[in-house]
Amino acid sequence: GQQLNQSPQSMFIQEGEDVSMNCTSSSIFNTWLWYKQDPGEGPVLLIALYKAGELTSNGRLTAQFGITRKDSFLNISASIPSDVGIYFCAGQISSRAYKYIFGTGTRLKVLA
Amino acid sequence: DGGITQSPKYLFRKEGQNVTLSCEQNLNHDAMYWYRQDPGQGLRLIYYSQIVNDFQKGDIAEGYSVSREKKESFPLTVTSAQKNPTAFYLCASSFDLGLAGDNEQFFGPGTRLTVL
Repeated sequence: GQQLNQSPQSMFIQEGEDVSMNCTSSSIFNTWLWYKQDPGEGPVLLIALYKAGELTSNGRLTAQFGITRKDSFLNISASIPSDVGIYFCAGQISSRAYKYIFGTGTRLKVLA
Repeated sequence: DGGITQSPKYLFRKEGQNVTLSCEQNLNHDAMYWYRQDPGQGLRLIYYSQIVNDFQKGDIAEGYSVSREKKESFPLTVTSAQKNPTAFYLCASSFDLGLAGDNEQFFGPGTRLTVL
């Protein structure tokens, strides 16, 4: 099955630092979703994006739908220890496609 | 509280046995999905269902079966034909993905299946 290129695969950062991660694809998407997953739990939806160029925030998290519709970015500002986890992007190719394509995840570790 | 429940949280199975994973949602969602998650990989779609009594194969349906007799329920059976069933299984649901601006997919807590 198709998967998105998500980078970085993992990152260690100091508490208080800002974090950036992105997903890219060769396909055009009409929806992007960003999730956070804690070990042994299901992913929790953080942000949903529906329009090219859209910038949406959820607390310290900000995500953008790339202008080309082939990429998306997630930024976390002023990271805290509870930000630790795996962040996934997911893209939907067309409005009638009942399938999302998932990235391989970015594992974030925050050093206090 | 509205949400998606999966049971059991942990499941152990002997080789050659079929096992059924439960998924229930009370979000009034139309569509339901089953994914498999393996270490270092993105989620892979096993089956999905858009409406009751209808379901479609995903990317890795071999060795799995599903039913959708009720809107709220979408159980997954892992059969003995599945060659490598040990994995973390996630159920998800959403409203009709054809509705613009309402394409959010929500996940349950997962079931970890281990084949002994």
